[in-house]
Amino acid sequence: EAGVAQSPRYKIIEKRQSVAFWCNPISGHATLYWYQQILGQGPKLLIQFQNNGVVDDSQLPKDRFSAERLKGVDSTLKIQPAKLEDSAVYLCASSLGDLPGQPQHFGDGTRLSIL
Amino acid sequence: SQQGEEDPQALSIQEGENATMNCSYKTSINNLQWYRQNSGRGLVHLILIRSNEREKHSGRLRVTLDTSKKSSSLLITASRAADTASYFCATDGSTNAGKSTFGDGTTLTVKP
Repeated sequence: EAGVAQSPRYKIIEKRQSVAFWCNPISGHATLYWYQQILGQGPKLLIQFQNNGVVDDSQLPKDRFSAERLKGVDSTLKIQPAKLEDSAVYLCASSLGDLPGQPQHFGDGTRLSIL
Repeated sequence: SQQGEEDPQALSIQEGENATMNCSYKTSINNLQWYRQNSGRGLVHLILIRSNEREKHSGRLRVTLDTSKKSSSLLITASRAADTASYFCATDGSTNAGKSTFGDGTTLTVKP
């Protein structure tokens, strides 16, 4: 089966600019996650979707971050405007559902550098 | 705050040796999972252990869970250079079963 696809792989922008990331989950996976991973740390959940509905966005900085999952398949994560502290890898993951113990399948992420 | 904390932060061993990593967590869980992350790549699921299980094996991996101590360990036997990666434990949420909270990981280096 094809894995989770993310693009772009790398992005360099200046602070206060906007940026968008795209994720295509594994076919049939109802649950989609966006994580932020700062160098040397574990992934931190930003937002979790179940189909096209938001399950958890409690740690999403909503003043600058937004995400959508139209039609319950692909998803985009946007940052506007970017700050220096947003430099990180943004990982997308998907799972079959939100039942306990469902393994998550990760894409290779987008590495964002803010100048 | 992170639920799981891995120990040690970094581990360096020779090929063929065993590697043990530990994870401690704070609140009750239903499941604990271990993931591996190679440099520049996404996380890969390794193994899941449920709260009513004490030990689980998968190939060269052995995971233990002690719910009384709120801790888990991951043992990799007969390590290979290809095992060089970061290893993360992830605990599920009490109110959101689909949410996993990750620790900051153990970076394992296996020298050939």
